[in-house]
Amino acid sequence: EAGVVQSPRYKIIEKKQPVAFWCNPISGHNTLYWYRQNLGQGPELLIRYENEEAVDDSQLPKDRFSAERLKGVDSTLKIQPAELGDSAVYLCASSPPLATGGNEQFFGPGTRLTVL
Amino acid sequence: AQKITQTQPGMFVQEKEAVTLDCTYDTSDPSYGLFWYKQPSSGEMIFLIYQGSYDQQNATEGRYSLNFQKARKSANLVISASQLGDSAMYFCAMREGVKNYGQNFVFGPGTRLSVLP
Repeated sequence: EAGVVQSPRYKIIEKKQPVAFWCNPISGHNTLYWYRQNLGQGPELLIRYENEEAVDDSQLPKDRFSAERLKGVDSTLKIQPAELGDSAVYLCASSPPLATGGNEQFFGPGTRLTVL
Repeated sequence: AQKITQTQPGMFVQEKEAVTLDCTYDTSDPSYGLFWYKQPSSGEMIFLIYQGSYDQQNATEGRYSLNFQKARKSANLVISASQLGDSAMYFCAMREGVKNYGQNFVFGPGTRLSVLP
């Protein structure tokens, strides 16, 4: 079974440029999470989807960040325009419905963003 | 207020020795889950062990065990017989309301474990 897929793995851009990250969760996982992880810190939730609905985006800086999961499967996270402080690893994770007995979330390899 | 506290920014342990990584949590929800993840230098987050708030027994997974003290709100990870490959960042995380569909995970700041040969 394929794991959570993210692309690209690395991205280097100049400040004020746009950037987009893509995530394909594990098949059957209806919950999808986007996290930002700064160097030496734990992941911080940006947005959580249940199917196609964003049920928690309270930590998403909405002036420059946007996300979508139109068909309730794969998702895109966008930053426009990027700032120097956006340099971080962006992690995508998915989890199965609790009714199936799943407890944990499964992470993708992450996208390491460097803003110059 | 921090929901997950890991007071040890860094820990050293001799190979083959046991080590305990501390984690305390804060929640008013009676139903929650506690997780430990390992993140090697390669960056992937690897799930290690899970403890539900209603579980009577401490969770164990191979060399990993979770010392769950509910009254003290602590969920320490014990790694027995440390190996060089255990050197990594370790994150404690909590999922509140596991009886409710799809609650959020909150992560602690992590502990960097270094295993010495």
